[in-house]
Amino acid sequence: EADIYQTPRYLVIGTGKKITLECSQTMGHDKMYWYQQDPGMELHLIHYSYGVNSTEKGDLSSESTVSRIRTEHFPLTLESARPSHTSQYLCASTGTGRDAFFGQGTRLTVV
Amino acid sequence: QKEVEQNSGPLSVPEGAIASLNCTYSDRVSQSFFWYRQYSGKSPELIMSIYSNGDKEDGRFTAQLNKASQYVSLLIRDSQPSDSATYLCAVIRNFNKFYFGSGTKLNVKP
Repeated sequence: EADIYQTPRYLVIGTGKKITLECSQTMGHDKMYWYQQDPGMELHLIHYSYGVNSTEKGDLSSESTVSRIRTEHFPLTLESARPSHTSQYLCASTGTGRDAFFGQGTRLTVV
Repeated sequence: QKEVEQNSGPLSVPEGAIASLNCTYSDRVSQSFFWYRQYSGKSPELIMSIYSNGDKEDGRFTAQLNKASQYVSLLIRDSQPSDSATYLCAVIRNFNKFYFGSGTKLNVKP
Protein backbone atom coordinates (compact mmCIF):
# COMPACT_ATOMS: atom_id res chain seq x y z
CA GLU A 1 0.00 0.00 0.00
CA ALA A 2 1.47 3.31 -1.09
CA ASP A 3 1.25 6.17 1.40
CA ILE A 4 1.84 9.28 -0.63
CA TYR A 5 -0.53 12.19 -0.41
CA GLN A 6 -1.10 15.32 -2.43
CA THR A 7 -3.12 18.35 -1.48
CA PRO A 8 -5.19 19.98 -2.72
CA ARG A 9 -6.78 17.55 -5.18
CA TYR A 10 -8.30 20.37 -7.17
CA LEU A 11 -7.36 24.06 -7.24
CA VAL A 12 -8.81 26.94 -9.24
CA ILE A 13 -6.88 30.14 -8.78
CA GLY A 14 -6.51 33.55 -10.38
CA THR A 15 -3.60 34.70 -12.50
CA GLY A 16 -0.71 36.15 -10.53
CA LYS A 17 -1.40 34.28 -7.29
CA LYS A 18 1.29 32.34 -5.47
CA ILE A 19 0.47 28.67 -4.91
CA THR A 20 2.08 25.72 -3.19
CA LEU A 21 1.19 22.15 -4.02
CA GLU A 22 1.86 19.77 -1.18
CA CYS A 23 3.25 16.25 -1.42
CA SER A 24 3.98 14.03 1.56
CA GLN A 25 4.93 10.38 1.92
CA THR A 26 5.15 8.25 5.03
CA MET A 27 7.23 5.44 3.54
CA GLY A 28 10.63 6.96 4.32
CA HIS A 29 11.48 7.11 0.62
CA ASP A 30 14.54 9.15 -0.20
CA LYS A 31 13.71 9.90 -3.84
CA MET A 32 10.77 12.04 -4.84
CA TYR A 33 9.55 13.40 -8.17
CA TRP A 34 7.12 15.93 -9.63
CA TYR A 35 5.54 15.26 -13.01
CA GLN A 36 3.29 17.46 -15.11
CA GLN A 37 0.65 15.87 -17.30
CA ASP A 38 -1.90 17.49 -19.58
CA PRO A 39 -5.11 15.51 -20.37
CA GLY A 40 -4.38 12.59 -22.68
CA MET A 41 -0.73 13.50 -22.88
CA GLU A 42 2.45 11.97 -21.53
CA LEU A 43 4.11 12.54 -18.17
CA HIS A 44 6.87 15.11 -18.06
CA LEU A 45 9.40 15.18 -15.23
CA ILE A 46 9.76 18.74 -13.90
CA HIS A 47 11.64 18.24 -10.60
CA TYR A 48 13.26 15.48 -8.62
CA SER A 49 15.05 15.03 -5.34
CA TYR A 50 17.39 12.31 -4.12
CA GLY A 51 17.19 13.31 -0.50
CA VAL A 52 17.07 16.18 1.95
CA ASN A 53 18.50 19.41 0.52
CA SER A 54 18.90 17.78 -2.91
CA THR A 55 16.75 19.03 -5.78
CA GLU A 56 17.23 18.98 -9.54
CA LYS A 57 15.27 20.25 -12.50
CA GLY A 58 13.72 17.66 -14.76
CA ASP A 59 13.59 17.38 -18.50
CA LEU A 60 10.66 19.77 -18.97
CA SER A 61 11.42 23.39 -18.18
CA SER A 62 9.12 24.68 -15.48
CA GLU A 63 8.72 28.03 -13.73
CA SER A 64 7.93 26.21 -10.51
CA THR A 65 10.38 25.64 -7.67
CA VAL A 66 10.67 22.87 -5.10
CA SER A 67 12.26 22.32 -1.72
CA ARG A 68 13.21 19.25 0.31
CA ILE A 69 13.79 20.23 3.91
CA ARG A 70 12.34 17.02 5.31
CA THR A 71 12.47 13.52 3.86
CA GLU A 72 8.72 13.12 3.84
CA HIS A 73 7.80 16.47 2.32
CA PHE A 74 8.39 17.78 -1.24
CA PRO A 75 6.30 20.88 -1.94
CA LEU A 76 6.10 22.61 -5.33
CA THR A 77 5.63 26.37 -5.54
CA LEU A 78 4.53 28.70 -8.32
CA GLU A 79 5.32 32.30 -7.42
CA SER A 80 2.92 33.79 -9.97
CA ALA A 81 0.41 31.45 -11.55
CA ARG A 82 -0.52 31.84 -15.21
CA PRO A 83 -3.12 30.11 -17.40
CA SER A 84 -0.28 28.21 -19.11
CA HIS A 85 0.34 26.47 -15.75
CA THR A 86 -3.06 24.79 -15.96
CA SER A 87 -2.35 21.07 -15.82
CA GLN A 88 -2.30 18.02 -13.57
CA TYR A 89 0.68 17.76 -11.24
CA LEU A 90 1.67 14.31 -10.00
CA CYS A 91 4.06 13.57 -7.18
CA ALA A 92 5.86 10.21 -6.87
CA SER A 93 8.38 8.63 -4.53
CA THR A 94 10.65 5.61 -4.53
CA GLY A 95 12.85 3.95 -1.96
CA THR A 96 15.22 1.02 -1.79
CA GLY A 97 12.53 -1.21 -3.29
CA ARG A 98 12.78 0.95 -6.39
CA ASP A 99 9.09 0.79 -7.26
CA ALA A 100 7.71 4.31 -7.71
CA PHE A 101 4.34 5.15 -6.24
CA PHE A 102 2.22 8.11 -7.22
CA GLY A 103 0.01 10.42 -5.25
CA GLN A 104 -3.52 11.11 -6.46
CA GLY A 105 -2.47 14.30 -8.22
CA THR A 106 -3.45 17.95 -8.09
CA ARG A 107 -5.51 19.31 -10.93
CA LEU A 108 -4.63 23.00 -11.23
CA THR A 109 -6.68 25.51 -13.20
CA VAL A 110 -5.45 29.09 -13.49
CA VAL A 111 -8.08 31.55 -14.67
CA GLN B 1 15.57 9.97 -29.58
CA LYS B 2 13.19 9.39 -26.71
CA GLU B 3 14.35 7.40 -23.72
CA VAL B 4 11.28 5.17 -23.84
CA GLU B 5 9.14 4.53 -26.91
CA GLN B 6 5.64 3.11 -26.99
CA ASN B 7 3.03 2.83 -29.70
CA SER B 8 0.28 5.26 -28.70
CA GLY B 9 -2.48 2.96 -29.97
CA PRO B 10 -5.30 2.62 -29.44
CA LEU B 11 -4.96 -1.13 -29.22
CA SER B 12 -8.35 -2.79 -29.40
CA VAL B 13 -8.89 -6.39 -28.29
CA PRO B 14 -12.07 -8.36 -27.61
CA GLU B 15 -12.93 -9.40 -24.09
CA GLY B 16 -11.15 -12.61 -23.12
CA ALA B 17 -8.30 -12.15 -25.61
CA ILE B 18 -4.62 -11.56 -24.85
CA ALA B 19 -3.48 -7.94 -25.06
CA SER B 20 0.18 -7.43 -25.92
CA LEU B 21 1.84 -4.10 -25.15
CA ASN B 22 5.38 -3.28 -26.19
CA CYS B 23 8.03 -0.79 -25.20
CA THR B 24 11.60 -0.09 -26.30
CA TYR B 25 14.23 1.91 -24.46
CA SER B 26 17.29 3.67 -25.74
CA ASP B 27 19.92 3.33 -23.02
CA ARG B 28 21.53 -0.07 -22.49
CA VAL B 29 22.49 0.81 -18.92
CA SER B 30 18.83 1.06 -17.86
CA GLN B 31 18.47 -1.10 -14.80
CA SER B 32 14.84 -1.46 -13.86
CA PHE B 33 11.62 -1.59 -15.82
CA PHE B 34 8.03 -0.96 -14.88
CA TRP B 35 4.51 -1.06 -16.22
CA TYR B 36 1.91 1.36 -14.90
CA ARG B 37 -1.80 1.56 -15.65
CA GLN B 38 -3.49 4.95 -15.81
CA TYR B 39 -7.23 5.47 -16.04
CA SER B 40 -8.42 8.74 -17.51
CA GLY B 41 -8.04 11.58 -15.02
CA LYS B 42 -6.34 9.36 -12.43
CA SER B 43 -2.74 8.93 -11.38
CA PRO B 44 -0.64 5.98 -12.59
CA GLU B 45 -0.72 2.79 -10.55
CA LEU B 46 2.08 0.24 -10.59
CA ILE B 47 1.23 -3.11 -12.20
CA MET B 48 4.58 -4.87 -12.49
CA SER B 49 8.28 -4.32 -12.11
CA ILE B 50 10.97 -6.47 -13.75
CA TYR B 51 14.72 -6.31 -13.33
CA SER B 52 16.21 -9.33 -15.10
CA ASN B 53 15.83 -10.96 -18.49
CA GLY B 54 12.93 -13.31 -18.97
CA ASP B 55 9.32 -13.45 -17.90
CA LYS B 56 7.64 -12.44 -14.68
CA GLU B 57 4.05 -13.42 -14.05
CA ASP B 58 1.53 -11.91 -11.65
CA GLY B 59 -2.02 -13.11 -12.05
CA ARG B 60 -3.26 -12.23 -15.52
CA PHE B 61 -0.20 -10.08 -16.21
CA THR B 62 3.15 -11.21 -17.59
CA ALA B 63 6.06 -8.84 -18.09
CA GLN B 64 8.85 -9.81 -20.45
CA LEU B 65 12.29 -8.22 -20.57
CA ASN B 66 14.93 -8.63 -23.26
CA LYS B 67 17.94 -6.45 -22.45
CA ALA B 68 19.87 -7.48 -25.59
CA SER B 69 17.07 -6.14 -27.77
CA GLN B 70 16.17 -3.35 -25.33
CA TYR B 71 12.50 -4.08 -25.17
CA VAL B 72 9.94 -4.75 -22.49
CA SER B 73 6.47 -6.12 -23.05
CA LEU B 74 3.33 -6.67 -21.03
CA LEU B 75 0.84 -9.42 -21.75
CA ILE B 76 -2.64 -9.26 -20.29
CA ARG B 77 -4.46 -12.59 -20.45
CA ASP B 78 -8.25 -12.88 -20.40
CA SER B 79 -8.61 -9.15 -21.02
CA GLN B 80 -11.56 -7.48 -19.31
CA PRO B 81 -13.32 -4.20 -20.14
CA SER B 82 -11.98 -2.90 -16.80
CA ASP B 83 -8.46 -3.28 -18.25
CA SER B 84 -9.25 -0.45 -20.69
CA ALA B 85 -6.76 2.26 -19.77
CA THR B 86 -3.47 3.77 -20.84
CA TYR B 87 -0.44 1.62 -20.05
CA LEU B 88 2.82 3.40 -19.31
CA CYS B 89 6.23 1.83 -19.60
CA ALA B 90 8.96 3.28 -17.38
CA VAL B 91 12.68 2.66 -16.95
CA ILE B 92 15.22 3.71 -14.35
CA ARG B 93 18.73 4.82 -15.07
CA ASN B 94 21.03 7.51 -13.73
CA PHE B 95 20.58 6.79 -10.03
CA ASN B 96 16.88 6.19 -9.97
CA LYS B 97 15.74 8.87 -12.40
CA PHE B 98 12.50 7.61 -13.94
CA TYR B 99 11.74 7.92 -17.63
CA PHE B 100 8.22 7.26 -18.86
CA GLY B 101 6.93 6.41 -22.31
CA SER B 102 3.99 8.30 -23.73
CA GLY B 103 1.68 5.34 -23.07
CA THR B 104 -0.41 2.91 -25.09
CA LYS B 105 -4.17 3.23 -24.91
CA LEU B 106 -5.89 -0.15 -24.59
CA ASN B 107 -9.57 -0.71 -25.38
CA VAL B 108 -11.11 -4.03 -24.39
CA LYS B 109 -14.43 -4.48 -26.15
CA PRO B 110 -17.18 -6.50 -24.45
